[in-house]
Amino acid sequence: EIVLTQSPGTLSLSPGERATLSCRASQSVSSYLAWYQQEPGQAPRLLIYGSSSRATGISDRFSGSGSGTDFTLTISRLEPEDFAVYYCQQYHGAISFGQGTRLEIK
Amino acid sequence: QVQLQESGPGLVKPSQTLSLTCTVSGGSISSGGFYWNWIRQYPGKGLEWIGYIYYSGNTYYNPSLKSRVAISVDTSRDQFSLKLSSVTAADTAVYYCARSYGSGPYHYWGQGALVTVST
Repeated sequence: EIVLTQSPGTLSLSPGERATLSCRASQSVSSYLAWYQQEPGQAPRLLIYGSSSRATGISDRFSGSGSGTDFTLTISRLEPEDFAVYYCQQYHGAISFGQGTRLEIK
Repeated sequence: QVQLQESGPGLVKPSQTLSLTCTVSGGSISSGGFYWNWIRQYPGKGLEWIGYIYYSGNTYYNPSLKSRVAISVDTSRDQFSLKLSSVTAADTAVYYCARSYGSGPYHYWGQGALVTVST
């Protein structure tokens, strides 16, 4: 089983700031990594797949990078609607998710 | 626009079988290349992939749940279903159905169905 560890658990920032979220895999997943955003009471929404490709309709303020075991999701200028929980997911082997990073308003 | 909708009982007794159905609209479940998935999210927020099915009936399950899970497909109704046997309180979660291209990321999700296991 591939374990994904996200850090930090909670990130407190202000609108307009830059957010950097990390996801580390217990073994290489090549570029088979996705990022999701989840707001309360809603299903997760796909942001990034293939480590760095934006899903349809996703703002270019969101960008992903990394390969192998270390990945990053960057949100360049935080908007009020960006404050949510973010999950990474690997689909290299049996699918698994990270435990999430909560992005909260400072 | 593809839409998915979960349905089924919201309360299941311990040791019984949880059954949910996902109805797909805006696209055929027989469209090649897509896998039809079940994922659950625990009250504490963690996400767990349960398994997926291809329209042909081929399945792949999470090894940790494999002994209790069965996913089936009804292409005539554009539906796929989940059965999880011998449930306990630890199976209480929001259950989502979702579509992936191959075993890849989930571009489309249902809204989720809360299932509580309790007497």
